[in-house]
Amino acid sequence: EAGVVQSPRYKIIEKKQPVAFWCNPISGHNTLYWYRQNLGQGPELLIRYENEEAVDDSQLPKDRFSAERLKGVDSTLKIQPAELGDSAVYLCASSLGNRGVADTQYFGPGTRLTVL
Amino acid sequence: SQQGEEDPQALSIQEGENATMNCSYKTSINNLQWYRQNSGRGLVHLILIRSNEREKHSGRLRVTLDTSKKSSSLLITASRAADTASYFCATGGTSGTYKYIFGTGTRLKVLA
Repeated sequence: EAGVVQSPRYKIIEKKQPVAFWCNPISGHNTLYWYRQNLGQGPELLIRYENEEAVDDSQLPKDRFSAERLKGVDSTLKIQPAELGDSAVYLCASSLGNRGVADTQYFGPGTRLTVL
Repeated sequence: SQQGEEDPQALSIQEGENATMNCSYKTSINNLQWYRQNSGRGLVHLILIRSNEREKHSGRLRVTLDTSKKSSSLLITASRAADTASYFCATGGTSGTYKYIFGTGTRLKVLA
């Protein structure tokens, strides 16, 4: 079974430029997560989808970040414009999303973003 | 903000020794999970323990949970160089759908 796929793996951009990250979750997983992980820290949730619906985006900086999950499968996370402080690893994860049941998340390899 | 706080932040041991790392959290949870992250890679799920469980085992891993103290520990027995990684706890809340909050991680180095 294929795992969570993310692309690109690395991205270097100059500040004020836009950038987009793509995630393909495990087939059949209803819940999709985007996390940001700063160096030496744990992942911090940016947005969580259940199927097509964003059910938790309270940590997403909405002035510059946007996300979408078309048809409840693939997802894209966008930053426009990027700032120096956005340099981090962006992780995508998916899970079955069974309500009321503890849910194991499966993570992709992440996209390492460097903003110059 | 992160709910879990792992302790210690870094740990260095010799191969064959046991490694213990702790996680403390602040609010009530439904379950707690431990993940491993090798350098430059994504996180890998290790073990899940529910709030009504006190101890779980998986291979060389042993996890305990003390909900009264809001803490959990992960024990890796007979460590190997391949266990070198960062270890994170993630707490799942008590609402119907689960939002997991990760701790700051323990960086384990196992010396051959």
